[in-house]
Amino acid sequence: DTEVTQTPKHLVMGMTNKKSLKCEQHMGHRAMYWYKQKAKKPPELMFVYSYEKLSINESVPSRFSPECPNSSLLNLHLHALQPEDSALYLCASSQERGTEAFFGQGTRLTVV
Amino acid sequence: GIQVEQSPPDLILQEGANSTLRCNFSDSVNNLQWFHQNPWGQLINLFYIPSGTKQNGRLSATTVATERYSLLYISSSQTTDSGVYFCADGDNYGQNFVFGPGTRLSVLP
Repeated sequence: DTEVTQTPKHLVMGMTNKKSLKCEQHMGHRAMYWYKQKAKKPPELMFVYSYEKLSINESVPSRFSPECPNSSLLNLHLHALQPEDSALYLCASSQERGTEAFFGQGTRLTVV
Repeated sequence: GIQVEQSPPDLILQEGANSTLRCNFSDSVNNLQWFHQNPWGQLINLFYIPSGTKQNGRLSATTVATERYSLLYISSSQTTDSGVYFCADGDNYGQNFVFGPGTRLSVLP
């Protein structure tokens, strides 16, 4: 099983809303990632968790708050987003940080 | 950090044609992967290929780590091959993946 599951697939939220994106994997991977992808651009790293600890935060605004409750789950809490935060948010996991990565199908987020 | 270049940026093919996509790296190759992003946004793993050659059906890939490049070959292209092809690699510290800018492939019927 090489599946990474993300929910929801689509999300529309207002600028005052609070929402969460969820990601789950059952491959026993110890590294999990959040990426943001704007149209016609490559994915850009937001957060890396390694062994359930945040190891890299690529200077992401505090309105994005990651959480790793256990080794299989990764959440991204969203609050007070801006329209420019509209993008495809991708979750990935790998056995160790930087090794072969597997991606979920993404959450397409629209902020209105 | 590592820099990744991909060429060509755009490619239009007739169905049945062959193509070669290239990925160049500014630093040593560690955990190179090729992905295909479909129109719905999902990144599909094609190859994990830090070195050597692999084949999977009509697709094959070769990485020459000493010269810091990788090639993806698509033979007998089909319309379903359309999309964006990314290469990516972890940096020297075994950390995050850095993606290339992608090659946008359109296969015409």
